[in-house]
Amino acid sequence: DIQMTQSPSSLSASVGDRVTITCRASQGIRNDLGWYQQKPGKAPKRLIYAASSLQSGVPSRFSGSGSGTEFTLTISSLQPEDFATYYCLQHNSYPLTFGPGTKVDIK
Amino acid sequence: QITLKESGPTLVKPTQTLTLTCTFSGFSLSTSGVGVGWIRQPPGKALEWLALIYWNDDKRYSPSLKSRLTITKDTSKNQVVLTMTNMDPVDTATYYCAPIHWNDCFDYWGQGTLVTVSS
Repeated sequence: DIQMTQSPSSLSASVGDRVTITCRASQGIRNDLGWYQQKPGKAPKRLIYAASSLQSGVPSRFSGSGSGTEFTLTISSLQPEDFATYYCLQHNSYPLTFGPGTKVDIK
Repeated sequence: QITLKESGPTLVKPTQTLTLTCTFSGFSLSTSGVGVGWIRQPPGKALEWLALIYWNDDKRYSPSLKSRLTITKDTSKNQVVLTMTNMDPVDTATYYCAPIHWNDCFDYWGQGTLVTVSS
């Protein structure tokens, strides 16, 4: 199984801050990775697919990069509506695996 | 427009079998490359993938739960059914379904359904 790790597990940031979340795979997954945002009581929402492609309708302050085993999600200027938990998902091989999540809250 | 909705019991007793239905619209499970998966999330915990079924009836399961899971599809009704046997309180979670199309994975999600396992 491919293990996904995320760092940090949580962070506190202010509106306007640049935020970077890292996801690492235990083995290479090409670019078969998505990033999801989840707010309390809501279903996850995909932000990024294929590691770096922005989902339609998602603000351009979100960006993704990486390939192989290391990936990053960057929020260029944190907005109030961005406070949420973020997950990565690898779909390169079965079983599909999610990262443990990164909670972004208000500083 | 793609939509998915999960349905099933909100409360099951330990040892019982859970049956969940995902009813979707906006795509067809008769289309090559299309599949539907199930994901769950215990309260306050991370997401966990459970199972996937494809247009050609190929099925994939989480190894840790494979012995307890069965996924089936009814293409004519646009439904995917997940059954999980021998339910335990640790299976208490919100269960989601989401589509996959070739390598485009889980772009849309249902609203989820909370299942509580308790006697």
